[in-house]
Amino acid sequence: DAKTTQPPSMDCAEGRAANLPCNHSTISGNEYVYWYRQIHSQGPQYIIHGLKNNETNEMASLIITEDRKSSTLILPHATLRDTAVYYCIVRPRMDSSYKLIFGSGTRLLVRP
Amino acid sequence: DGGITQSPKYLFRKEGQNVTLSCEQNLNHDAMYWYRQDPGQGLRLIYYSQIVNDFQKGDIAEGYSVSREKKESFPLTVTSAQKNPTAFYLCASSIPAGTGVSEDGYTFGSGTRLTVV
Repeated sequence: DAKTTQPPSMDCAEGRAANLPCNHSTISGNEYVYWYRQIHSQGPQYIIHGLKNNETNEMASLIITEDRKSSTLILPHATLRDTAVYYCIVRPRMDSSYKLIFGSGTRLLVRP
Repeated sequence: DGGITQSPKYLFRKEGQNVTLSCEQNLNHDAMYWYRQDPGQGLRLIYYSQIVNDFQKGDIAEGYSVSREKKESFPLTVTSAQKNPTAFYLCASSIPAGTGVSEDGYTFGSGTRLTVV
């Protein structure tokens, strides 16, 4: 079973920030939080990951709570192309063959 | 360019027939995976292989079989025992995260959509 809980769906207006929450209350000390997104009928795309500090890259920002039991993926200026299903996964970082376990994810709809 | 090739993209089969989905990678990755996705659902792990000539069942292995005779290839056979085979199938491969081009170590294929009529 997935070790994360996400809302099934969210929406936001184009150009506004999209904030996608994830609960991972049973995360272990060696597990990172990874975010992926999947556009219809394609393979999942890596977005960002973090351990305990907030992270930012060209795609998104990741905010992890101090107790590491939840996190939020932030798309600062959502575009229509960001409409996708977003998955939050916890996993060890360097495990050579860690099998990704996907939950149902959050279906984000960006409205024009 | 290195990557994963899944073929065919669309596949139609009659009920009761076995069908084999191809997955080939030229990334020199040790680990490979098969996932199934149903409409509106997340990906579910069918089988995975960490090394040649070895593989393990995932969460929904019943009705499926795999082989890993070569590092590059991990074909999936959907047998007649699989009750609801119509789905989108994704193959993936991986190396330790942070050691390759992709930050998470994973590469996904483009998928095969299987329809059983």
